[in-house]
Amino acid sequence: DSGVTQTPKHLITATGQRVTLRCSPRSGDLSVYWYQQSLDQGLQFLIQYYNGEERAKGNILERFSAQQFPDLHSELNLSSLELGDSALYFCASSMNDGYQPQHFGDGTRLSIL
Amino acid sequence: SQQGEEDPQALSIQEGENATMNCSYKTSINNLQWYRQNSGRGLVHLILIRSNEREKHSGRLRVTLDTSKKSSSLLITASRAADTASYFCATDGDSGYSTLTFGKGTMLLVSP
Repeated sequence: DSGVTQTPKHLITATGQRVTLRCSPRSGDLSVYWYQQSLDQGLQFLIQYYNGEERAKGNILERFSAQQFPDLHSELNLSSLELGDSALYFCASSMNDGYQPQHFGDGTRLSIL
Repeated sequence: SQQGEEDPQALSIQEGENATMNCSYKTSINNLQWYRQNSGRGLVHLILIRSNEREKHSGRLRVTLDTSKKSSSLLITASRAADTASYFCATDGDSGYSTLTFGKGTMLLVSP
């Protein structure tokens, strides 16, 4: 058990809809990272938050946004969903913003119908 | 875009054999990490090797790093059926951030 909790585990919705994925990092970890994993693109870094502030951005679409709250949990919001957004979305956390291992949750599987 | 590229894409061996996976990357790095992913689960960190290190061991795992060739290898000795998983290398690149760029992984199947 990595200590990182993601909810929900599965999400099925339709095109055009909006969903929110939630992540609780490991106790004591200040950094949260979001990744998207799909068969064709592999594992892509989306965005990182450190202690409530956005730290780095990767291949995150404008339709996607995230935030980290004072209790350090994070949410990833996906809007105007398209079929191509179907993927596994992972949250990972690490103690601080240095070069160190990241601890992954088990992901949210998003299916767009 | 993928920074790391693993080779081979898939590997099938018998229990007790050794498994070697390779990773190549493009830019300079601070660290290189290897992760394992069991089917349908999140990634699990295996080992981190710093750019000034050449070899590192952890249990049955041995990682080498050649920064001149921008490549790394992961050796799993005496493989077990439980080692069946996908293995990814991840690099932090030279962006100045601690974010990771992952390769597409090697799928390892260890048969009893």
